[in-house]
Amino acid sequence: QVQLVQSGSELKKPGASVTVSCKASGYTFTDYAMNWVRQAPGQGLEYMGWINPKTGNPMYAPGFTGRFVISLDTSVSTAYLQISSLEAEDSAVYYCTRKHCDSWGQGTLVIVSS
Amino acid sequence: QSVLTQPPSVSAAPGQKVTISCSGSSSNIGNNYVSWYQQLPGTAPKRLIYDNNKRSSGIPDRFSGSKSGTSGTLGITGLQAGDEADYYCGTWDNSLNSYVFGSGTKVTVL
Repeated sequence: QVQLVQSGSELKKPGASVTVSCKASGYTFTDYAMNWVRQAPGQGLEYMGWINPKTGNPMYAPGFTGRFVISLDTSVSTAYLQISSLEAEDSAVYYCTRKHCDSWGQGTLVIVSS
Repeated sequence: QSVLTQPPSVSAAPGQKVTISCSGSSSNIGNNYVSWYQQLPGTAPKRLIYDNNKRSSGIPDRFSGSKSGTSGTLGITGLQAGDEADYYCGTWDNSLNSYVFGSGTKVTVL
């Protein structure tokens, strides 16, 4: 069965960087794009962008350019979300989800606090 | 501020039916398929409906989806306590060139 397993919670200081990973199994990794979704505390879902696993080209939603980088390593069937220059407003749960959002990772909590 | 508008909350007694609307525009719902997601408290979202009205694997037929013009609707019949959750619609937006989610609706079973 399809599984997306994300890395554990992170506590970072403002200005630092964080990388969240999402390891896929149960399907051919290169057959499906991977999306990233953010959910701030008590808020709704925000689509951040996606990456084409065949080309490695990421596409970002409005508001998620500049400090956000989506990448992948097909050799280990893993997608990554890197956020640099962290701000308190980046505190959220980050989800990876397969193309068409049919499968979701368990979420990774990122807390940005001094 | 989401481009897809949902009512903040709906409620009904066990066994009853609720419907959740998702209002968009021609740049999103009007020309693309709608999906619906359920997020139980403290868990990751789960896709219930895709392509407007197709149920994802394992989803009971108490859940249904429809689309008309620039609006989509999720229906839940035979409401159960376990259906208490947040529900989100989602679709592609051609103007934003991005997927978009609705604002979310909290379902309460009275």
